Amino acid sequence: SSELTQDPAVSVALGQTVRITCQGDSLRRYYASWYQQKPGQAPVLVIYGENSRPSGIPDRISGSYSGNTASLTITGAQAEDEADYYCNSRDNSGNHVIFGGGTKLTVL
Amino acid sequence: QVQLVQSGAEVKKPGASVKVSCKASGYTFTNYDINWVRQATGQGLEWMGWMNPNSGNTGYAEKFQGRVTMTWNTSISTAYMDLSSLRSEDTAVYYCTRGHSSGYYIYYFDYWGLGTLVTVSS
Repeated sequence: SSELTQDPAVSVALGQTVRITCQGDSLRRYYASWYQQKPGQAPVLVIYGENSRPSGIPDRISGSYSGNTASLTITGAQAEDEADYYCNSRDNSGNHVIFGGGTKLTVL
Repeated sequence: QVQLVQSGAEVKKPGASVKVSCKASGYTFTNYDINWVRQATGQGLEWMGWMNPNSGNTGYAEKFQGRVTMTWNTSISTAYMDLSSLRSEDTAVYYCTRGHSSGYYIYYFDYWGLGTLVTVSS
């Protein structure tokens, strides 16, 4: 079955750059999308497709790909970027959707 | 503006069923999928399934096959998720989210409801 793997936790110093990765076979065929979730709130879409941002998402957040790995990069991390980040994509069958386990980002 | 407004919190006993609604506004209901995603306290996001109000198709995660049914009423732009044979492990926040396809290889959830807490307890 398809799976997406994320590191459970990542930390970054304020103003520095951090990369959060999402690995899985389905990413060789399907693009990932990324969601930011803060405590007690619904997830918010931050990146989709190759590297597209919905309106209102700051351009310090970007996406990239290499092989079976999608990455979310935050350049110049701010305190408000502290959140859980989830990736998802279609699964290998194309009929279902899978989520990564999520990465808790701490901004120090 | 696009909104997905979900029904209120529910408390159910083990073995019972729950039906959560999701009323869409601000777009043409039949032009997009609705997906359902749940999240237990302190846990990650778990995809449950999708429905397409235009084609009439649905697709459910294997884990929920036989227990979940997703339906809709196009006349009131409302989607429903029915989960039966509830157990304590089904206690979670249930989200509806709009599925947006930009070509077959790009599929993402661009709008989310605020979530509905379903508590299963005897």
